Amino acid sequence: AQKITQTQPGMFVQEKEAVTLDCTYDTSDPSYGLFWYKQPSSGEMIFLIYQGSYDQQNATEGRYSLNFQKARKSANLVISASQLGDSAMYFCAMRREKLVFGQGTRLTINP
Amino acid sequence: EAQVTQNPRYLITVTGKKLTVTCSQNMNHEYMSWYRQDPGLGLRQIYYSMNVEVTDKGDVPEGYKVSRKEKRNFPLILESPSPNQTSLYFCASSLGAGVTNTEAFFGQGTRLTVV
Repeated sequence: AQKITQTQPGMFVQEKEAVTLDCTYDTSDPSYGLFWYKQPSSGEMIFLIYQGSYDQQNATEGRYSLNFQKARKSANLVISASQLGDSAMYFCAMRREKLVFGQGTRLTINP
Repeated sequence: EAQVTQNPRYLITVTGKKLTVTCSQNMNHEYMSWYRQDPGLGLRQIYYSMNVEVTDKGDVPEGYKVSRKEKRNFPLILESPSPNQTSLYFCASSLGAGVTNTEAFFGQGTRLTVV
């Protein structure tokens, strides 16, 4: 069975600092995809970054990078130089046949 | 424009009154699914569909029905809504069930209140 765990219900970070959001997963399948989504207060779900289980390098998209440690089954999201607009809920998700989400982390960026 | 469209965005209804939340995508995606989002629980999958006429239960299917008669539409039906179904609902679609490297596209969400 697929399972995603996000252990940080909330995080508070100073503007311009880097922040790491934790995500661990559990699956017995060798082929899977890992995703991060952002949900601002307006409610929509915004795709941020993707990592495939066979990808050798960590994924990066602008200020977002995914710290993929396959042996530890972790897929942490790193946001560099945080901005006030980064304040939102962040969801980690894993896809094999189904797309399964973690509980989310609420990130607050303080000025 | 590629999109997933859910309607309505907001709905207040009474216990026991049947309702349908519609979902339509224009990307010719095979995989569609419904989630509910509750504080502290994240997004939990209600039902999913890998293709036309193929649907399966997710993690929290009780009290819900779905159908997939056409590729583009995947309505969520609450036959007899109860207050514990008050939640934020999302429809999502993606290219294929077995394709791991495609993100899901989400609808705008439907905030349902059952009184």
